[in-house]
Amino acid sequence: QQQVKQSPQSLIVQKGGISIINCAYENTAFDYFPWYQQFPGKGPALLIAIRPDVSEKKEGRFTISFNKSAKQFSLHIMDSQPGDSATYFCAANLLSNYQLIWGAGTKLIIKP
Amino acid sequence: DAGITQSPRHKVTETGTPVTLRCHQTENHRYMYWYRQDPGHGLRLIHYSYGVKDTDKGEVSDGYSVSRSKTEDFLLTLESATSSQTSVYFCAISPGTTSEAFFGQGTRLTVV
Repeated sequence: QQQVKQSPQSLIVQKGGISIINCAYENTAFDYFPWYQQFPGKGPALLIAIRPDVSEKKEGRFTISFNKSAKQFSLHIMDSQPGDSATYFCAANLLSNYQLIWGAGTKLIIKP
Repeated sequence: DAGITQSPRHKVTETGTPVTLRCHQTENHRYMYWYRQDPGHGLRLIHYSYGVKDTDKGEVSDGYSVSRSKTEDFLLTLESATSSQTSVYFCAISPGTTSEAFFGQGTRLTVV
């Protein structure tokens, strides 16, 4: 019930295409859903986050889509660029809890 | 970049020896976390702290202990290092449980 399942494990997208990474959860008490981006040799950094009271949040080329009834959320990267090549992690958090529950990560490669 | 420093950045140690990793922050954030990152497992929480001398276990705490005697320092100790503890260790800090978590650069630990 505490798991967050992330797919795919790896993804190759052509430059200019749309990258889509999906996450699913079971615990309906989760109320904060961030996405983190990690470059090789660096720690993860917050990319974008959403609360379950909205269905979509957009920041530049990055969009989170949230489907509360399906208990799924996804990251869309529009006009993907080689600089977007990184590992992406979804996560979820309970308001009453001190810790994030992490997905296993998706390695994204954008081909020029 | 958030003021968070991990030391050492790299360490090679022998099986059975004790090892201490240090996380130092200058942001005065309440929450501090230790994660390990291994291929295929994403980020797994080892221990976390929600205040000075207030710590609790994460999902992979066996073989690890922590201490937080000051707001700015969070120490992770491997009491008797084993090869299974070879990993990249990340410290993270956060002002709140649903706020952005800031990660350090990581410590690559090899147990031989």
